[in-house]
Amino acid sequence: ETGVTQTPRHLVMGMTNKKSLKCEQHLGHNAMYWYKQSAKKPLELMFVYNFKEQTENNSVPSRFSPECPNSSHLFLHLHTLQPEDSALYLCASSQETSGIWYNEQFFGPGTRLTVL
Amino acid sequence: GNSVTQMEGPVTLSEEAFLTINCTYTATGYPSLFWYVQYPGEGLQLLLKATKADDKGSNKGFEATYRKETTSFHLEKGSVQVSDSAVYFCALSPPNQAGTALIFGKGTTLSVSS
Repeated sequence: ETGVTQTPRHLVMGMTNKKSLKCEQHLGHNAMYWYKQSAKKPLELMFVYNFKEQTENNSVPSRFSPECPNSSHLFLHLHTLQPEDSALYLCASSQETSGIWYNEQFFGPGTRLTVL
Repeated sequence: GNSVTQMEGPVTLSEEAFLTINCTYTATGYPSLFWYVQYPGEGLQLLLKATKADDKGSNKGFEATYRKETTSFHLEKGSVQVSDSAVYFCALSPPNQAGTALIFGKGTTLSVSS
């Protein structure tokens, strides 16, 4: 596998289900991100992990819970979601290097989530 | 604050037509600038980038020049193909903040017909 992979690619769940999205990066990067892409809206940052530590949480509801066990893997645990949470969830990674201030992010293909 | 403004779409062109998608930004200092492309059913792919004023990013026939004086990073292609049909996102990375979120525009849908 190369680049950034995400599983599953499609997920349909009920509002009472618990599921997890998985992201894996094969680029040796040390920062990973979750974005939400809804129709007719700009991409929204959800979570950022640098060196496995969460550094940003943009007021995301607690029904979304991230986990970053190591620098290559990122999970998004889902619980008691709402229909308006239906969206494409994108994972990205980048290499944070001291003194380098540009931030080229590499994206996975996304998980298309539908909440019934 | 930091923000990106893209022209509204959709943009509909015939094959071999000239393409311009406008992007302007607001930022403190000198951000890095990017164009990403999203083909149907896929994630975002980096198309090109520029990290300082007057840099020109180019890839697959697409070009964009970092214009500090007009705070712009317009995407151009001399002759589009049907395979260029996709959504294009302009984005910036705030200066001296590696490892933070990119700021994206809303995206511009390009549709090219043969």
